[in-house]
Amino acid sequence: DQQVKQNSPSLSVQEGRISILNCDYTNSMFDYFLWYKKYPAEGPTFLISISSIKDKNEDGRFTVFLNKSAKHLSLHIVPSQPGDSAVYFCAASEGGGADGLTFGKGTHLIIQP
Amino acid sequence: DAGVIQSPRHEVTEMGQEVTLRCKPISGHDYLFWYRQTMMRGLELLIYFNNNVPIDDSGMPEDRFSAKMPNASFSTLKIQPSEPRDSAVYFCASSPTGGNEKLFFGSGTQLSVL
Repeated sequence: DQQVKQNSPSLSVQEGRISILNCDYTNSMFDYFLWYKKYPAEGPTFLISISSIKDKNEDGRFTVFLNKSAKHLSLHIVPSQPGDSAVYFCAASEGGGADGLTFGKGTHLIIQP
Repeated sequence: DAGVIQSPRHEVTEMGQEVTLRCKPISGHDYLFWYRQTMMRGLELLIYFNNNVPIDDSGMPEDRFSAKMPNASFSTLKIQPSEPRDSAVYFCASSPTGGNEKLFFGSGTQLSVL
């Protein structure tokens, strides 16, 4: 049973517009959330994270929002650029995360010129 | 820093053969993780080590899968015998201290079992 769900396998956005990637989770014990970005033939790389004590974290063009009551988080990319085309994985951990991360299936973001 | 190094990048084998995937973590990282990526299940944690000791192997799908970490700079994931459903991308990742530290992934091994 998927504890971290990314229900959109793909998303197409025009260059310069906002990209919004969504993620839902079922495990209420998760207290730390991360987004990873993956290009073809490469491993995932860390993008941005958020602790459950916050509801927003921003890093340049990337912002992650957390809604604990809805068990939902989203990644906003604005403005979207061609280099943002990649697969984005949502991940979560609980209790310090020493047991590793639980990942979603990923969303393939395509930025159209 | 060279990052996490995995070999081989691609492996094509026939059903029933033994497959060994290799990983060199980032020096100084105490945690090493093996993940498998498939279309159906995304990225799944198979097993992780802390200071070379296996801590949780509950994600290992079957007894055909085994992993070792004989020292701090090397780990292997072995499948014996391999089956077509094992075809996937296998990632190794390391982390400095575990906890909420982000993971550093290798480039993965694309395994195809015919």
